[in-house]
Amino acid sequence: DAGVTQSPTHLIKTRGQQVTLRCSPKSGHDTVSWYQQALGQGPQFIFQYYEEEERQRGNFPDRFSGHQFPNYSSELNVNALLLGDSALYLCASSLGGEDTQYFGPGTRLTVL
Amino acid sequence: GEDVEQSLFLSVREGDSSVINCTYTDSSSTYLYWYKQEPGAGLQLLTYIFSNMDMKQDQRLTVLLNKKDKHLSLRIADTQTGDSAIYFCAETPAGNMLTFGGGTRLMVKP
Repeated sequence: DAGVTQSPTHLIKTRGQQVTLRCSPKSGHDTVSWYQQALGQGPQFIFQYYEEEERQRGNFPDRFSGHQFPNYSSELNVNALLLGDSALYLCASSLGGEDTQYFGPGTRLTVL
Repeated sequence: GEDVEQSLFLSVREGDSSVINCTYTDSSSTYLYWYKQEPGAGLQLLTYIFSNMDMKQDQRLTVLLNKKDKHLSLRIADTQTGDSAIYFCAETPAGNMLTFGGGTRLMVKP
């Protein structure tokens, strides 16, 4: 039973660039949530996708956007990168309306 | 306050019990969670408790919930060096989004 997978593992970008991170949910799950974890802090909710639509969004600017595909996998896009976007980006999956979310290993983004 | 709060650091000796505390904010949260994060890794779901329960035990883990005080605790019995990690509590105040505390770093000394 495959767990949540994310790619790439690490990524280095420069200010102003754009980045795309990818997530495949746990087998049988249809909902994907994205979180940003800055160094030394708890994760912060970015948004959640269900049935290919953004269902809920946290307090993040429009530079952060996402997409969910028919196979339930998801992408997180960040435009016009800032130094402060450097963080661990975590993807979590769940089933429908259930609260329990299972996390992937994360993508470490460094913006120089 | 508006934040989920946890103490920053806890140090125990191997074999002792560890108690990690959390104060949450939203009494309407249906579930409350504990996650574990090892260095450089994602979050591992440890356990959760339904809001109408006072206690849940799962092997070495015991979760206590005091809804009146919005206080959640995680007790780890017979703590091992492999339990060294950062522990996060999380609530679900709105829909399915998780709101996390800042994490408690547990250090287990041999």
